Amino acid sequence: GAVVSQHPSWVICKSGTSVKIECRSLDFQATTMFWYRQFPKQSLMLMATSNEGSKATYEQGVEKDKFLINHASLTLSTLTVTSAHPEDSSFYICSATQGAAGNTIYFGEGSWLTVV
Amino acid sequence: GQNIDQPTEMTATEGAIVQINCTYQTSGFNGLFWYQQHAGEAPTFLSYNVLDGLEEKGRFSSFLSRSKGYSYLLLKELQMKDSASYLCAAKGTDKLIFGTGTRLQVFP
Repeated sequence: GAVVSQHPSWVICKSGTSVKIECRSLDFQATTMFWYRQFPKQSLMLMATSNEGSKATYEQGVEKDKFLINHASLTLSTLTVTSAHPEDSSFYICSATQGAAGNTIYFGEGSWLTVV
Repeated sequence: GQNIDQPTEMTATEGAIVQINCTYQTSGFNGLFWYQQHAGEAPTFLSYNVLDGLEEKGRFSSFLSRSKGYSYLLLKELQMKDSASYLCAAKGTDKLIFGTGTRLQVFP
């Protein structure tokens, strides 16, 4: 079974609205979670690194005010796409690391966002 | 800077062997991962190398040379279901960076 659960799997929203995607680690505490975005036929692009209890670290070119990340507990991180536009339509996926070395990395199932 | 290079596309025949190469540059190094990803799905873990050498796991093997910043994924006895994208990812000091992925197409 999945060790990282991501919800929702599919979401359609209107342009200008906000949408929240949740990433939960099941049966383990994830001190670090990562958020990726993947456009069709492209690789996973790291958006931000989320550490429990602290502000997320965003990659260059990713707007932190547009992609709000909250990691309020050791098992939950959320990504909120604010004021979504059609160009934000993408596959968003989270991953969580387990263990001190962080060499066990689990991915969520991914969330397809379509902005119309 | 951080950079990962792998071929964009490869083709092979069912039953054959294919090697997918990956070169990387990272800030710090804490391991090299290979993932398989079918279209529209999340990546699935294939292998993890942190020490030099070859790791074999069934039909899949992965090799790492830290001094050369080089890894390869070897797929043996190819099956049609192996048609997918194969992502090379290097873990730096604090994050996992992916290559562009190699789309492998297996033909009968």
